[in-house]
Amino acid sequence: ETGVTQSPTHLIKTRGQQVTLRCSSQSGHNTVSWYQQALGQGPQFIFQYYREEENGRGNFPPRFSGLQFPNYSSELNVNALELDDSALYLCASSLEYGELFFGEGSRLTVL
Amino acid sequence: GENVEQHPSTLSVQEGDSAVIKCTYSDSASNYFPWYKQELGKRPQLIIDIRSNVGEKKDQRIAVTLNKTAKHFSLHITETQPEDSAVYFCAASRGGGGFKTIFGAGTRLFVKA
Repeated sequence: ETGVTQSPTHLIKTRGQQVTLRCSSQSGHNTVSWYQQALGQGPQFIFQYYREEENGRGNFPPRFSGLQFPNYSSELNVNALELDDSALYLCASSLEYGELFFGEGSRLTVL
Repeated sequence: GENVEQHPSTLSVQEGDSAVIKCTYSDSASNYFPWYKQELGKRPQLIIDIRSNVGEKKDQRIAVTLNKTAKHFSLHITETQPEDSAVYFCAASRGGGGFKTIFGAGTRLFVKA
């Protein structure tokens, strides 16, 4: 059984650029949640996907978007990057009533 | 909107002492309360969770208590060890991972040998 994997692990972008982060969920999990974790802060809920549909969204602007694929893997896309988007982006997979299993995260730096 | 407040933000204890971290939540419909431990540079990992149909749960040196009326829940670590040093996050959701899970800001625990 493989755990949650994310790619890339680190990346650097400049303001205004676009970024795509990827997540493979744990085998058997049908729900993927994305979180933004700024340095020294708790994970902030971005959105969640269940069976390829967005199933909940936090207080993030529309330039944060996502997808979930039939194999339950997922992408997070961020357009028009801003300096404040610099953070660790965590993906977590789960079953409906189970715990969240996190990946190691993608650390994004926006210059 | 939903909110989870956590305190203290930093906690320093001597090895062998107990540590207590407290959280409050705002969403009355929350019924699942997990606690995650995040070591430096690593992913958050679940250490214990509690559902609203019980008031207390214990797993070896770790225990959680829940007061639904007051919307409070707490993590208790007894006989702390240096390897307990990490950041601890409380969270709340309406059912589990398949529902929006809101996290607290975290407590950085230092256990001094």
